[in-house]
Amino acid sequence: DVVMTQTPLSLSVTPGQPASISCKSSQSLLHSDGKTFLHWYLQKPGHSPQLLIYEVSNRFSGVPDRFSGSGSGTDFTLKISRVEAEDVGIYYCMQSIQFVTFGGGTKVEIK
Amino acid sequence: QVQLVQSGAEVKKPGASVKVSCKASGYNFIGYYLYWLRHAPGQGLEWMGMINPRGGATSYAQKFQGRVTMTRDTSTATVYMELSSLRSEDTAVYYCARGYGITLFGVPSPYYMDVWGKGTTVTVSS
Repeated sequence: DVVMTQTPLSLSVTPGQPASISCKSSQSLLHSDGKTFLHWYLQKPGHSPQLLIYEVSNRFSGVPDRFSGSGSGTDFTLKISRVEAEDVGIYYCMQSIQFVTFGGGTKVEIK
Repeated sequence: QVQLVQSGAEVKKPGASVKVSCKASGYNFIGYYLYWLRHAPGQGLEWMGMINPRGGATSYAQKFQGRVTMTRDTSTATVYMELSSLRSEDTAVYYCARGYGITLFGVPSPYYMDVWGKGTTVTVSS
């Protein structure tokens, strides 16, 4: 299985400040077709997970541009340029190069 | 708008089976794959498998092979997930999700999911 490791486990952020979440995979997520099968989801309290970013850096429809994704190979980062109150929840990275596995999640809360 | 409406909560005894439904609307049903995932208390998100509604081909996570069956009814735009031989560790919220994938040699492979259902709570208890 491809193991996904997220850090930190939790983040407490002042509104307006940036936040960054790291995700590392146990093997490269670069597919032979040139795409990288790494995606980010946010599960807000009491809601289902929602897609934020697909293929490392592509924002899903309606996702604010304060969210950005970067990385390659086995190391990836999700950044929030200025955290807002509505960004609280648990963030998950997900790989789909070999079936599907998720990182353990990073809980983001507001100070 | 795109919606996935899941069936209601279930309580089952160990050894029983459960069948969860997921009715799709607001898009071309056979144009997207449907995934099933679960989130058990204190555990991480777990992928169970996926189905291509176009032909019904399925791909299951190894962990659930032999215990899970995913089917679809194109006339009602509904997919089903049946899990058998339930045990307490199967207590979880089960999600269906619409998404993208690739079918190679008749077998679906996952890509990503873009719209999720609200989840169905399945409790397994004696």
